[in-house]
Amino acid sequence: SAVISQKPSRDICQRGTSLTIQCQVDSQVTMMFWYRQQPGQSLTLIATANQGSEATYESGFVIDKFPISRPNLTFSTLTVSNMSPEDSSIYLCSVSPGLAASSSYNEQFFGPGTRLTVL
Amino acid sequence: GQQLNQSPQSMFIQEGEDVSMNCTSSSIFNTWLWYKQDPGEGPVLLIALYKAGELTSNGRLTAQFGITRKDSFLNISASIPSDVGIYFCAGRGGSGGSNYKLTFGKGTLLTVNP
Repeated sequence: SAVISQKPSRDICQRGTSLTIQCQVDSQVTMMFWYRQQPGQSLTLIATANQGSEATYESGFVIDKFPISRPNLTFSTLTVSNMSPEDSSIYLCSVSPGLAASSSYNEQFFGPGTRLTVL
Repeated sequence: GQQLNQSPQSMFIQEGEDVSMNCTSSSIFNTWLWYKQDPGEGPVLLIALYKAGELTSNGRLTAQFGITRKDSFLNISASIPSDVGIYFCAGRGGSGGSNYKLTFGKGTLLTVNP
């Protein structure tokens, strides 16, 4: 298991501003992910945060809108840039401690989420 | 891309009843994970399955990895009020370079009437 914390837990932001969400894990993990969960919906993968290199983004998500940093094996940030009300959502950090890009056999854990409301 | 069909979408049951929900996929998975999400919280991993035919229990929860590797079910026995929440299935193990990514079902909303 892995203990994941996220900051902030929630925020209300004005249109056009940016918010950076932090994710801290209590142990080193190989893979970290950022998800979005819109109200009443399932989870959508935004990107895979790669340590020491640029994140790998899913279709429909771009680096200019969702810049991601991952300076080490226990920490990552996601920035939601130039926000609009459509960005109101829960943003979730997720880790798979022993997962490698070539292996699918592993558990995956989620942080508590950051609830973002954009006015 | 891969798609997961999770059913039912919602269930309303009486305390003490058993519950069953399932997920089917259009393609093969190597891993099935079942999560529960409470309001305002992140999903919590309940059970992980790695082998076709595998049957795994966690307390009152039992989950199985289908023989075809395209489906999984989760059973909850003797439900209690704290079982209320949204249950998600997730599969991993697609072809090519994407086999580390999870594909999620749309969730089953469970309500338990005391």
